Amino acid sequence: DSGVTQTPKHLITATGQRVTLRCSPRSGDLSVYWYQQSLDQGLQFLIQYYNGEERAKGNILERFSAQQFPDLHSELNLSSLELGDSALYFCASSVDGRGLTDTQYFGPGTRLTVL
Amino acid sequence: AQTVTQSQPEMSVQEAETVTLSCTYDTSENNYYLFWYKQPPSRQMILVIRQEAYKQQNATENRFSVNFQKAAKSFSLKISDSQLGDTAMYFCAFIVDSGYALNFGKGTSLLVTP
Repeated sequence: DSGVTQTPKHLITATGQRVTLRCSPRSGDLSVYWYQQSLDQGLQFLIQYYNGEERAKGNILERFSAQQFPDLHSELNLSSLELGDSALYFCASSVDGRGLTDTQYFGPGTRLTVL
Repeated sequence: AQTVTQSQPEMSVQEAETVTLSCTYDTSENNYYLFWYKQPPSRQMILVIRQEAYKQQNATENRFSVNFQKAAKSFSLKISDSQLGDTAMYFCAFIVDSGYALNFGKGTSLLVTP
């Protein structure tokens, strides 16, 4: 158990819908990362937050957005869902979000299925 | 571009044997960390081992060790005394000094057989 929690574990929805994925970092970690794991694209970085502020953006679609709240939990919002958005979405957390000195610990993931 | 290549999509090893998973990477940066993550059937991503690029000594964690060849940009994972619980997808990844995100390879699926 990494200490990172994600809810829900599974999510099944229809195309065009909007969903929210939630992540709570490890105690003491200020930085949260979101990754998408799909069969064709592998593991891809979406976005990072540090202490409530967006720090880095990766291959995140405009239909996707995220935020980190004062209690440091984070939410990833996916809207106008398409079949291709079906994937495993991971949240990771680290202490201070600095590339080299920080190890990212992953949550169990949320499996999103878009029908 | 920063890329990671894992050339072995699938591997198999018998229990108690030793297996080596290959990984090569490409970056123009000089300072970076390398990682191996394990993803068992539960889908949880578990950190196995990490290596600082500035360190010449290869990292070890119990039955897991790496062979880091910086000039060749190679970072292989050796699993000794393989156990059934080692069956998983293994991902090689790195992060650079100026970056925030992990760059992952496509993974190697390892099956440990009795």
